[in-house]
Amino acid sequence: SQKIEQNSEALNIQEGKTATLTCNYTNYSPAYLQWYRQDPGRGPVFLLLIRENEKEKRKERLKVTFDTTLKQSLFHITASQPADSATYLCALLMNYGGSQGNLIFGKGTKLSVKP
Amino acid sequence: DAGVIQSPRHEVTEMGQEVTLRCKPISGHNSLFWYRQTMMRGLELLIYFNNNVPIDDSGMPEDRFSAKMPNASFSTLKIQPSEPRDSAVYFCASSLGSRDIQYFGAGTRLSVL
Repeated sequence: SQKIEQNSEALNIQEGKTATLTCNYTNYSPAYLQWYRQDPGRGPVFLLLIRENEKEKRKERLKVTFDTTLKQSLFHITASQPADSATYLCALLMNYGGSQGNLIFGKGTKLSVKP
Repeated sequence: DAGVIQSPRHEVTEMGQEVTLRCKPISGHNSLFWYRQTMMRGLELLIYFNNNVPIDDSGMPEDRFSAKMPNASFSTLKIQPSEPRDSAVYFCASSLGSRDIQYFGAGTRLSVL
């Protein structure tokens, strides 16, 4: 069956360190992968998108990598701050089939950055 | 733009009652999505519309759930009759096209007692 796994349910790090979150998938051929941030009581907010033919994308302190051979994406937050504490979701858009508009979400990793 | 607007923010109802959740997408967006989020299953797509037409409703749990989009600025998700296992946060999202970035509303937290 098709599956998306975000390796950690929770990740605790110290302020100033780099947070690295992992998203693995099986049995998909994604057109692209997205990362979203979700704060308690709110809907997910889009952060970054990376396409299947791209290896890396950056936006300010955020960096995403995409390895279609390993079927894995890594999401990095450098110089992390307590304000980065949130749940981060990865989502795949499939590259085939009738459901081409569907994003499939992972369950998320809850990041806590301690001062 | 005010973003995607959902109402109500919270709904508490008793088993067997009808529940209607509402969504106003971002003006100009052609695709609208309804999701359900629980701790156990995460964020799951229930149904999505393109240009007001339902495209994929394979995520709708059962016949108790129905969704409509009578025009480009309004959609409803109805549960009739509601059951305790329907308790979850329901999100609406919209996007320019079905493969574009999705913008989520704040969600409706539903509790069925």
